[in-house]
Amino acid sequence: NAGVMQNPRHLVRRRGQEARLRCSPMKGHSHVYWYRQLPEEGLKFMVYLQKENIIDESGMPKERFSAEFPKEGPSILRIQQVVRGDSAAYFCASSQGNQPQHFGDGTRLSIL
Amino acid sequence: QQQVKQSPQSLIVQKGGIPIINCAYENTAFDYFPWYQQFPGKGPALLIAIRPDVSEKKEGRFTISFNKSAKQFSLHIMDSQPGDSATYFCAATAGGGNKLTFGTGTQLKVEL
Repeated sequence: NAGVMQNPRHLVRRRGQEARLRCSPMKGHSHVYWYRQLPEEGLKFMVYLQKENIIDESGMPKERFSAEFPKEGPSILRIQQVVRGDSAAYFCASSQGNQPQHFGDGTRLSIL
Repeated sequence: QQQVKQSPQSLIVQKGGIPIINCAYENTAFDYFPWYQQFPGKGPALLIAIRPDVSEKKEGRFTISFNKSAKQFSLHIMDSQPGDSATYFCAATAGGGNKLTFGTGTQLKVEL
């Protein structure tokens, strides 16, 4: 499967716990983007990363959220001390340079 | 400045009809306008895209019309089929390898 891989597909956390979402880009892609989709809404940009660098984090909440894309391994979106409002679908996309972004099937995060 | 407005919110057409989805943008720096199709439980899939140097682009049954002066673009689906029932998102980006700004989506249902 050469597509963008996200795991887990579903994640349930209690308020105050940490959520870690993983994204493996398509083979050959070095650009990763994270988006959040609330029910019945469009996708909202969160962060854009290249290997070991955060390029644009203008859509990331100032607190509790962080992202990384290490030299080896998947990109990680980390949400600390989750709250009910964090419940959403989180999508990762990847691209190579100026080429179109390709999306994974997302992680559905539910907060109890 | 970064907003992309999409209409209608939902649309029902008969099989064989031509649904039209419209989007408008404000940021004149946008230079790439993709359309994505999303099925329930799946990530957005790139359908077709256009740059502002052309007024129309066709790929199979899908056509984008682009009006640069009005800052509007639309998606037409020819000979629509029940399998086209999905949510469609327009998007825009400025410069290559950059974040996408999405419209709010249109839920399309094609009835037999």
